[in-house]
Amino acid sequence: EPEVTQTPSHQVTQMGQEVILRCVPISNHLYFYWYRQILGQKVEFLVSFYNNEISEKSEIFDDQFSVERPDGSNFTLKIRSTKLEDSAMYFCASSEARGSEAFFGQGTRLTVV
Amino acid sequence: GESVGLHLPTLSVQEGDNSIINCAYSNSASDYFIWYKQESGKGPQFIIDIRSNMDKRQGQRVTVLLNKTVKHLSLQIAATQPGDSAVYFCAERDRGSQGNLIFGKGTKLSVKP
Repeated sequence: EPEVTQTPSHQVTQMGQEVILRCVPISNHLYFYWYRQILGQKVEFLVSFYNNEISEKSEIFDDQFSVERPDGSNFTLKIRSTKLEDSAMYFCASSEARGSEAFFGQGTRLTVV
Repeated sequence: GESVGLHLPTLSVQEGDNSIINCAYSNSASDYFIWYKQESGKGPQFIIDIRSNMDKRQGQRVTVLLNKTVKHLSLQIAATQPGDSAVYFCAERDRGSQGNLIFGKGTKLSVKP
């Protein structure tokens, strides 16, 4: 069964450093998303990406964040100048169409120290 | 602001009993709803979805009910099994969005053997 894969599974970084979280969405999907989940809290939408551009973003997704689809398979989330409060699980998701179900990856646990 | 939330944070049931997990939403413009299951350390896993033109949808051992009048969504799990123990999230999508989901806080379901 096709799945969304994310790497790394766990990333530890020092405050102020930049991190890149990587995702490989399901191959025939056209819509890509990043969500985050702070420990013990609900899943929060960050950004959606379609047709090689951001289609929607939340208030959380400020200038510290950026997304890119550098090639035909990868979808990345870059977090610049990380802060302690950026520590969370980051989930990538993809869907075939806007109206279809979103499949989530297993997440990357980001720990900022 | 508009949000999706859950009535109960935890639910404990006996193995074999039926479980009902509830969710309230406030965005009348939402046209699509999903229930996700999240096991510890994993990403959200799709269980069942329903569109706003329906009021009931059944899957294998699961049923989702949608009451648009009172903006209420429920997930019924028949013959609950230990493997059903997880956190369950409801999520909604605004019809004007590009597919992003707004998640509720989650209900932790514990199944006692």
